[in-house]
Amino acid sequence: EPEVTQTPSHQVTQMGQEVILRCVPISNHLYFYWYRQILGQKVEFLVSFYNNEISEKSEIFDDQFSVERPDGSNFTLKIRSTKLEDSAMYFCASSVLGQGTEAFFGQGTRLTVV
Amino acid sequence: AQSVTQLDSQVPVFEEAPVELRCNYSSSVSVYLFWYVQYPNQGLQLLLKYLSGSTLVKGINGFEAEFNKSQTSFHLRKPSVHISDTAEYFCAAGDQTGANNLFFGTGTRLTVIP
Repeated sequence: EPEVTQTPSHQVTQMGQEVILRCVPISNHLYFYWYRQILGQKVEFLVSFYNNEISEKSEIFDDQFSVERPDGSNFTLKIRSTKLEDSAMYFCASSVLGQGTEAFFGQGTRLTVV
Repeated sequence: AQSVTQLDSQVPVFEEAPVELRCNYSSSVSVYLFWYVQYPNQGLQLLLKYLSGSTLVKGINGFEAEFNKSQTSFHLRKPSVHISDTAEYFCAAGDQTGANNLFFGTGTRLTVIP
């Protein structure tokens, strides 16, 4: 069964460093998403991506964040200068279409900023 | 803006007993509703979804949910739980305004006691 894969599963980084979280969406999906979940809090939407550009983004997704689909298979989330409050589980998801269709989620990357 | 509320953060239940996990949403527009399950160290897996039509929706693993528009609820039920149902359950909502992101509740930890 096709699945969304994320690497690494756990990343520890020092405050101020740049991190790149990687995702391989399901191959025939057109919409890609990043969500995050701070420990003990709800899963929050960060950004959606369609047709090689951002289609929606939340208030959380500020200038420190960027997304890219560098090679037609990977979908990356970059945090330019990490802060302690960026520590969270980051989930990548993809869907065939947009609204109303099932989003398939990856296993997540746990980011710890120290 | 939408919001999703899961009032119960933890629900312990004995094996083979019935369970109901509560979810309420607020939205000024028509919604799509989802229940996702997260097993330990895994991603979010779709249990079931409501898009339109019949208000009683059946999903995987014997779960079902009922959409109640007047009470703005989408409670998840299972008549007889198994040890393997122990997991975190998330209710999520999307709307029909064109946005394709999901709003999640804070999750309910279901623990099945042998």
